[in-house]
Amino acid sequence: DSGVTQTPKHLITATGQRVTLRCSPRSGDLSVYWYQQSLDQGLQFLIQYYNGEERAKGNILERFSAQQFPDLHSELNLSSLELGDSALYFCASRSPGSSTEAFFGQGTRLTVV
Amino acid sequence: DQQVKQNSPSLSVQEGRISILNCDYTNSMFDYFLWYKKYPAEGPTFLISISSIKDKNEDGRFTVFLNKSAKHLSLHIVPSQPGDSAVYFCAASEGGRTSGTYKYIFGTGTRLKVLA
Repeated sequence: DSGVTQTPKHLITATGQRVTLRCSPRSGDLSVYWYQQSLDQGLQFLIQYYNGEERAKGNILERFSAQQFPDLHSELNLSSLELGDSALYFCASRSPGSSTEAFFGQGTRLTVV
Repeated sequence: DQQVKQNSPSLSVQEGRISILNCDYTNSMFDYFLWYKKYPAEGPTFLISISSIKDKNEDGRFTVFLNKSAKHLSLHIVPSQPGDSAVYFCAASEGGRTSGTYKYIFGTGTRLKVLA
């Protein structure tokens, strides 16, 4: 158990809809990362937050947005969903210390039908 | 533009032998490299890392080698065990020490199968 919690584990929704994925980082971790893994693809970096502020942005679509709340949990909002958005979405967190590795949650599998 | 590449999608190795997984990168500003292991239906699990100021880091059966001039790193697993069968991702980050922002760029992964 990495200590990073993602909900829900599975989500099935229709095209055009909007969903929210939730992530609770490890206790004490200030950084939260979101990644997308499409079928047989690598992990594509979407966005990073640090203590409530956006720190880095990757290949995140304009239809997608995220935020990190004062209690440090984060939400990834996906809107106007398309079939191609079907993927595994991972959240990871990292501690503010010298350690540089991030710890991943188990992911949310999104299926758009 | 794929900054981190794992050119071998899969690798099969006999139990007890050495597994060597390779990773190439293009960005010379990367200053930290990591390997993650991923089992089906689970999130990636951190395995081992190496700073760009080193050329080798060892942790039990796992050793990572970094060749900065070739922009190449490799993960050696000795001896390989059936439980090592998983997808292995190479990742790189830059600028963390100065900005505090560790942006991890991942390769596409190599599926390792250790045969009993």
